[in-house]
Parts: sequence; C-alpha cells; structure tokens
Amino acid sequence: AQTVTQSQPEMSVQEAETVTLSCTYDTSESNYYLFWYKQPPSRQMILVIRQEAYKQQNATENRFSVNFQKAAKSFSLKISDSQLGDTAMYFCAFSPPYNTDKLIFGTGTRLQVFP
Amino acid sequence: ETGVTQTPRHLVMGMTNKKSLKCEQHLGHNAMYWYKQSAKKPLELMFVYNFKEQTENNSVPSRFSPECPNSSHLFLHLHTLQPEDSALYLCASSQAPYIDSNQPQHFGDGTRLSIL
Repeated sequence: AQTVTQSQPEMSVQEAETVTLSCTYDTSESNYYLFWYKQPPSRQMILVIRQEAYKQQNATENRFSVNFQKAAKSFSLKISDSQLGDTAMYFCAFSPPYNTDKLIFGTGTRLQVFP
Repeated sequence: ETGVTQTPRHLVMGMTNKKSLKCEQHLGHNAMYWYKQSAKKPLELMFVYNFKEQTENNSVPSRFSPECPNSSHLFLHLHTLQPEDSALYLCASSQAPYIDSNQPQHFGDGTRLSIL
C-alpha cells in the first residue's frame, strides 16, 4: 500500500528566510505523481506544486521548489524568501498512475512564518 | 478563488438530525470528490464521482449518502451521525482522470461539521 509520511508536525521560519519541509513516501510503482498542497486558515486546499515521477528535473513555481529524490522516495518542499502569507498547513500527497483520481495525503506540517 | 463553493461553512447538528452538505464547482470539471479531514490525520477520500457516476466508495458508513445530480453539483446527505464524524468535510473537483495522466484537484473551503 502507498503511504505518505511528513515527519515534521510543526515548523517556523522568519520572514525572508528559506525553509524546507520534508516528505517521504512508499510505493512499488515506477511512475506516479507527487504534490504539495497548502491549507491556510481559510481552509481551502491550494495546489502549490506537482511533480511527475518520470521527470528528473525538479519542479519550480516562483518561490516554491522541490527536491525530488526518486531512489530515496523523498519529496521535500523548499520555500524561499518566506512571506507571512505562507503561514499554513502544508500537505504532501501521492497519486498512483493507474488510479489518478486517488490522492493519498500525509498528516501535514504546520508552518508559521514570523515577522 | 471561487471555483469550488461549499455550503454551509459551519454546521452543528444532533445525532438524530438529517442535514445535507452542498458543493458546486464552476470550473467545467467532470469529476467530484468528498474528503474528510480530522485533526492530526491524513485527509481521507470518501467518495468519487466521474461524469455523475460513483466510481469510489472508500468504505464509508451508510449514514453518509452522496448524491451527484450533474457534473457541477455534489451533495453529502447526513443522518444519525456519531460524535466521531465531527470533522472538516472538503469537496474537490477535477477533469476526469485518464490512464497515466493526472488532473489536479481543486478544493473548496470545506464545511466544519460538529456533532453534539
């Protein structure tokens, strides 16, 4: 069975600094999809970034980038130049190739950005 | 973003009540989902509808009854719920997925449900 593990329940960072959130997963599949979602206090789950496992290049979206280590089954999220609006819960998620409407989530990391 | 709208935002109900949660998407998607989010637990997928047909029921108790009258609307009918059903219920939508391609899901703000 596929599982997603986020080992950091809470993290904090100062504004303008860089922070990295970790995520590991377990699967026997060779191709799959990985995601980071952000859930601010407004509760809406917002897609931050996604990575296709067959692509070696790490995905980047503005200040957000990932470090995808397929052999290690690791998918960390780096937030550069942190902003107060980045304060939120961050969820890592996995989607298998044969059932792409099935998202498997981790337990989340609560990120607090301090001024 | 107002692509996926959920109502009500908060709901408090007794265990013998019957209520419904509503979800509406304005994104032209044809797949819709219900998730349950409890504290300190991963989001749990409850139901999936593709083109109005239910394609997944993730062992959800029968006290939760989904309804999808069209591709834009999704309901979750609730009756005789238990205190452990208190949670945030999230709706999502996407383009219907197909093999080896992923269509990202767009989420609503959720309904915070409290069972007395």
